[in-house]
Amino acid sequence: DSGVTQTPKHLITATGQRVTLRCSPRSGDLSVYWYQQSLDQGLQFLIQYYNGEERAKGNILERFSAQQFPDLHSELNLSSLELGDSALYFCASSPRSQIPDTQYFGPGTRLTVL
Amino acid sequence: EDQVTQSPEALRLQEGESSSLNCSYTVSGLRGLFWYRQDPGKGPEFLFTLYSAGEEKEKERLKATLTKKESFLHITAPKPEDSATYLCAVQAAGFQKLVFGTGTRLLVSP
Repeated sequence: DSGVTQTPKHLITATGQRVTLRCSPRSGDLSVYWYQQSLDQGLQFLIQYYNGEERAKGNILERFSAQQFPDLHSELNLSSLELGDSALYFCASSPRSQIPDTQYFGPGTRLTVL
Repeated sequence: EDQVTQSPEALRLQEGESSSLNCSYTVSGLRGLFWYRQDPGKGPEFLFTLYSAGEEKEKERLKATLTKKESFLHITAPKPEDSATYLCAVQAAGFQKLVFGTGTRLLVSP
C-alpha cells in the first residue's frame, strides 16, 4: 500500500458525459501528478500540482482539467468524454518539488466510456 | 525528446532461471532512473531509484544497475510471484514528470 488513495475504482459512463476522479496523496506529500495509461500508449504524464499550484503540464487535452485543494487532495475533471478516453488514470504523489523525487502511485481509476 | 525503450516486451522464465531486463534511455540531463513493478489492473509499485552511472541497488531477488545509456534489472532465481510488468522511467533535468517505457511483461512458471 503506497498511501495514495484514489476514488472511485471503476467508472462507467457514456460519451459526452463529465466525470471527476479524486486523489488523496500520501501524508506530508505536497506534489500530486496525474497519469493516463491506455493499452497502446503506456503511462503518459498529464499534469502536476505542487501545494495547490499547477507546476507542469504534459499531454493533457483541453477537455481535461485538474486542481489541488488546500487539504492537498486533487481532482481530475474529464468532460465531453469520447470512447478513446477509456483508460486507467493514476495519481502519484511525492514529498517535494525538487528533482529527483520518487513518485508513489495510487491504485488507479478505471474509466470506461461507452 | 526524452525516450525510454524497454526490452524484451515479454519474457517467460522457469522458476529459478535468472535473467535480465533492459531499459535504454535518451534524456537531456538524467536526474533519476526509476524501476516500478505493476500487477494487472493495479498501480505501479516503486522498486528502485538510481541517480548516477555505476550505481547498483538490490532488493530480495532484484538488482538494478545503471550506465550512461541504459539500466538493467537482474532477476536472480525468480519465483512465480515475481510475475508482473516491470516499468522503467526517467526524470530529466528541469522536469519532475516521469517518462515511462512500455514495460517488460515477465511470466515465471513453476
